[in-house]
Amino acid sequence: EAAVTQSPRNKVAVTGGKVTLSCNQTNNHNNMYWYRQDTGHGLRLIHYSYGAGSTEKGDIPDGYKASRPSQENFSLILELATPSQTSVYFCASGDANWGWDTLYFGAGTRLSVL
Amino acid sequence: GDSVTQTEGLVTVTEGLPVKLNCTYQTTYLTIAFFWYVQYLNEAPQVLLRSSTDNKRTEHQGFHATLHKSSSSFHLQKSSAQLSDSALYYCALNNRIFFGDGTQLVVKP
Repeated sequence: EAAVTQSPRNKVAVTGGKVTLSCNQTNNHNNMYWYRQDTGHGLRLIHYSYGAGSTEKGDIPDGYKASRPSQENFSLILELATPSQTSVYFCASGDANWGWDTLYFGAGTRLSVL
Repeated sequence: GDSVTQTEGLVTVTEGLPVKLNCTYQTTYLTIAFFWYVQYLNEAPQVLLRSSTDNKRTEHQGFHATLHKSSSSFHLQKSSAQLSDSALYYCALNNRIFFGDGTQLVVKP
C-alpha cells in the first residue's frame, strides 16, 4: 500500500484562484519535500520540512507556500495560481536512516492552471 | 553553488547492449552522497542506487555505479539493457537533494 499519498491526482484551476495540494505519509519520516517536474528541468525543489511546524524554502519557492501541521501531512499552497505553475507536483518523504535522505515519492498531482 | 549535470537528455540503445548514463557534479560539501532515481512512465520516481563511498561499486537490479570524487562523477551503467529498463533516470546529490535534469533511456528491440 502507498506510504505517500497525494491528493488530488488531477486538478484544473483558474488563474488567480487558490490551490491546495495535499500530501500524507505513513512512513513516520521527519523530512518531507515538494517538487515540481517539467520537461527539460527535471525535479525542482519548492519547499521542504524537517518536521511538524517547520517549513523551509527550496530552490523555486516564489508563488508557493507550504504548511506542515503534523508529522504525516504536508501541503503546498498556491495563493494566486498562474499558468506558469502548470506542472506535475511530487511530494516525498525522506528516510534519513542511511545518513542522507532517501526519498519516497507520492504518485504526483497534475495541475493545469487556465 | 551545488549542481548536478546529466549531459544526455535522451539515450537510445538496442536490447542486450551495454548502456551508460553520465552524471557529474559540483559541490562545496566535504561529505556527499549520490543517488540514482528511476521513473517509469506514469509512475513516481523511486530510488535505484545510492552511495557515499569513494571508488566503491554499488549495484542493484543489474545496474551499477561508482562514486569517483576525483572526477566528480557517478555514472550509471548496465552491461545488457532490457526493454523494461526504458524510463527516465535522475541522478541526485544529497542535502536538499539536488537533481539533474534527467536522462530518458529508450531500449529498442
